[in-house]
Amino acid sequence: NAGVTQTPKFQVLKTGQSMTLQCAQDMNHEYMSWYRQDPGMGLRLIHYSVGAGITDQGEVPNGYNVSRSTTEDFPLRLLSAAPSQTSVYFCASRYRENTGELFFGEGSRLTVL
Amino acid sequence: DAKTTQPPSMDCAEGRAANLPCNHSTISGNEYVYWYRQIHSQGPQYIIHGLKNNETNEMASLIITEDRKSSTLILPHATLRDTAVYYCIVRGRPFGDSSYKLIFGSGTRLLVRP
Repeated sequence: NAGVTQTPKFQVLKTGQSMTLQCAQDMNHEYMSWYRQDPGMGLRLIHYSVGAGITDQGEVPNGYNVSRSTTEDFPLRLLSAAPSQTSVYFCASRYRENTGELFFGEGSRLTVL
Repeated sequence: DAKTTQPPSMDCAEGRAANLPCNHSTISGNEYVYWYRQIHSQGPQYIIHGLKNNETNEMASLIITEDRKSSTLILPHATLRDTAVYYCIVRGRPFGDSSYKLIFGSGTRLLVRP
């Protein structure tokens, strides 16, 4: 049982490049989400999904796309990276009925030059 | 969505109880209070949650006031490994499919001193 796995752990991009942050969980959780954390700040919700085929926007969705084709995977796509997207990204999952804990991955540190 | 207010930083001595306050004066009757912590740059870790009654688990205790407008997380015997940022979160509004999202604030940075 690996929990929530994020790849890559570190990535450097140039402005305008695109990339995908991968997130996978093996706990059969219906709910998955992406957060970003900027230095000295709390986490902000980007996008979330309550099940395969269903996604919705969080607090700061602009510049990011998501899809949920399987229960296990929830990739986050940056279509045209900007320096303002330099951040640490966390993926998290839980069972759909939110009466318990949210499980987080170890984070992906992205730098956009 | 109910918002929370936490002191930006606190400290306590190792072995003593750490009491972390949180104000959530606009909380609704069906909104839970959650506590998470983040050690250094790791992913946040769930600690405890509650609705009305006080809760206790192997990590901490959660005391919620009777009017539910504030709560306190208690780490009974703080250790150096408890140094972290602690987030108090009130569960956000439900959507049509009864799913909820958690909105994190800036948290309290707890420093446990030797």
